[in-house]
Amino acid sequence: NAGVTQTPKFQVLKTGQSMTLQCAQDMNHEYMSWYRQDPGMGLRLIHYSVGAGITDQGEVPNGYNVSRSTTEDFPLRLLSAAPSQTSVYFCASSEIQGTEAFFGQGTRLTVV
Amino acid sequence: GESVGLHLPTLSVQEGDNSIINCAYSNSASDYFIWYKQESGKGPQFIIDIRSNMDKRQGQRVTVLLNKTVKHLSLQIAATQPGDSAVYFCAENKPQGGKLIFGQGTELSVKP
Repeated sequence: NAGVTQTPKFQVLKTGQSMTLQCAQDMNHEYMSWYRQDPGMGLRLIHYSVGAGITDQGEVPNGYNVSRSTTEDFPLRLLSAAPSQTSVYFCASSEIQGTEAFFGQGTRLTVV
Repeated sequence: GESVGLHLPTLSVQEGDNSIINCAYSNSASDYFIWYKQESGKGPQFIIDIRSNMDKRQGQRVTVLLNKTVKHLSLQIAATQPGDSAVYFCAENKPQGGKLIFGQGTELSVKP
């Protein structure tokens, strides 16, 4: 049982490049979410999904897109990377809303 | 440009002492609260949770107290060990949309 798997673990992008951060969970959880974590700060919610085909914005959605075509996968897309998006990104899943969230190991992204 | 992060609140305790980490939450309608532990380079890990219909919940060496009157949450760790050194986050679940929102975090340092 792998839990929540994020790839890649590290990534360096140039300003303006696009990329997709992958997140997959094998627990059949309905609820998935993406957070970013900046130095000395807590986790801020970017986007979340309450089930396949349904997504919504969190606290800091600008510059990011998501989709949820399957229960298992919840990719996060950066369309045009900016230095302000340098951060550590965490994907999480939970059985339903309002229950314990399980986190992946994170993706450390640097935009130069 | 780059964002400047804040310094996390820190708590330094002696090994064997009890630790109390505090958290103020924002939404009086929040109905579920979680404490997470995050070690360096890892994703947040669930410690204990509590629902809003409870005032106290105990786990193994940990106790969470909820004071809804002043919107305050605390995590008590008994007989703190070096392995407890980490950043601790509280999170609240807001019923509208079921978003899990994190606090800033507190860094716990345990001195041997």
